[in-house]
Amino acid sequence: DTEVTQTPKHLVMGMTNKKSLKCEQHMGHRAMYWYKQKAKKPPELMFVYSYEKLSINESVPSRFSPECPNSSLLNLHLHALQPEDSALYLCASSQGGEETQYFGPGTRLLVL
Amino acid sequence: GIQVEQSPPDLILQEGANSTLRCNFSDSVNNLQWFHQNPWGQLINLFYIPSGTKQNGRLSATTVATERYSLLYISSSQTTDSGVYFCAGTSGSRLTFGEGTQLTVNP
Repeated sequence: DTEVTQTPKHLVMGMTNKKSLKCEQHMGHRAMYWYKQKAKKPPELMFVYSYEKLSINESVPSRFSPECPNSSLLNLHLHALQPEDSALYLCASSQGGEETQYFGPGTRLLVL
Repeated sequence: GIQVEQSPPDLILQEGANSTLRCNFSDSVNNLQWFHQNPWGQLINLFYIPSGTKQNGRLSATTVATERYSLLYISSSQTTDSGVYFCAGTSGSRLTFGEGTQLTVNP
């Protein structure tokens, strides 16, 4: 099974709201990732967790707060977002290092 | 840094036609993946191909690591092949995507 699941599929939030995106994998992968994808652009890496520890933060604003409660789960907490943060947020997992990454279906976020 | 360049940016085909997509990548890229992103946004793994040739049905890919390029071949294209094709290179834990090729297959 190479499935990564993400919830919710769609999210609309105001600039003062707090919300969370969730990602889950049951492939025994040790690395999990968050990407952001704007329309007609490629995905861009935001965060990397390896063995449940944050290993890469690509200078993402603090209004995005990642969390890895265990090796199967990855959350992205959102607070005080801006309209320009509207995008498709993709989660991925892999065995780590430079191994194949498998992507979830994404959460389409609209910030009003 | 990592550089990944794809061509062509757009490609329109009639059903049944063949096509070749190209990906050039920089020296810092160690491994290469090809993805298909469908109209709903799902990124589907096609190939993990640091070097050599692989085939999966109507799709095949070749990476010539010494010359820093990879090719994705689509034969007998179908309308369901439409979408964006990305190549992405890895360096350490970072996966960097090219700008993609938007493929439209018309019936």
